[in-house]
Amino acid sequence: AQSVTQLDSQVPVFEEAPVELRCNYSSSVSVYLFWYVQYPNQGLQLLLKYLSGSTLVKGINGFEAEFNKSQTSFHLRKPSVHISDTAEYFCAVPQGGSEKLVFGKGTKLTVNP
Amino acid sequence: DTAVSQTPKYLVTQMGNDKSIKCEQNLGHDTMYWYKQDSKKFLKIMFSYNNKELIINETVPNRFSPKSPDKAHLNLHINSLELGDSAVYFCASSPSRNSYGYTFGSGTRLTVV
Repeated sequence: AQSVTQLDSQVPVFEEAPVELRCNYSSSVSVYLFWYVQYPNQGLQLLLKYLSGSTLVKGINGFEAEFNKSQTSFHLRKPSVHISDTAEYFCAVPQGGSEKLVFGKGTKLTVNP
Repeated sequence: DTAVSQTPKYLVTQMGNDKSIKCEQNLGHDTMYWYKQDSKKFLKIMFSYNNKELIINETVPNRFSPKSPDKAHLNLHINSLELGDSAVYFCASSPSRNSYGYTFGSGTRLTVV
């Protein structure tokens, strides 16, 4: 079954610094990949998705991710973070052969002033 | 108008009680889901309905029973509540069965005491 691994449970950064949140997926077959963000006390919101085509995917709020098939990765990046980016970030993949979206364990991004 | 709305937002109840959580979406989506998020932020799918038909039923105690009176509503009824049921329950919807760009509700925080 396909799955994703988020390598960092917590990432603290200073405001205006760049950030990378790491996600690796388990299968080398064609995959769809997603990043969701959960702000405190809210539901999840889709940040971006990779379905096919260009490996560099741009999302909302200045985030982007790069699909790397050889490294089975889909890392999320932002060149300059804001305090308001403090949130939990989830990588997700549809489980092969089923219709359910499986989430990683999340990375808590904390942006400090 | 909230796209996916859940009620109540908070629910505190005693062990052994029966409670329901309601979910409604006004997006015209065909597919709806219930996810459970535990205290470590881990998200796990519980159920999925497509056009009122149950399509995913994970290994969930049969004390949990979803009901979809129409494709815009998916309610979750829980019998004989236990301490371990304490979690945040999220409803989500998507345009169709294999469309993974979910829209999430803001969650229901269930506390069983």
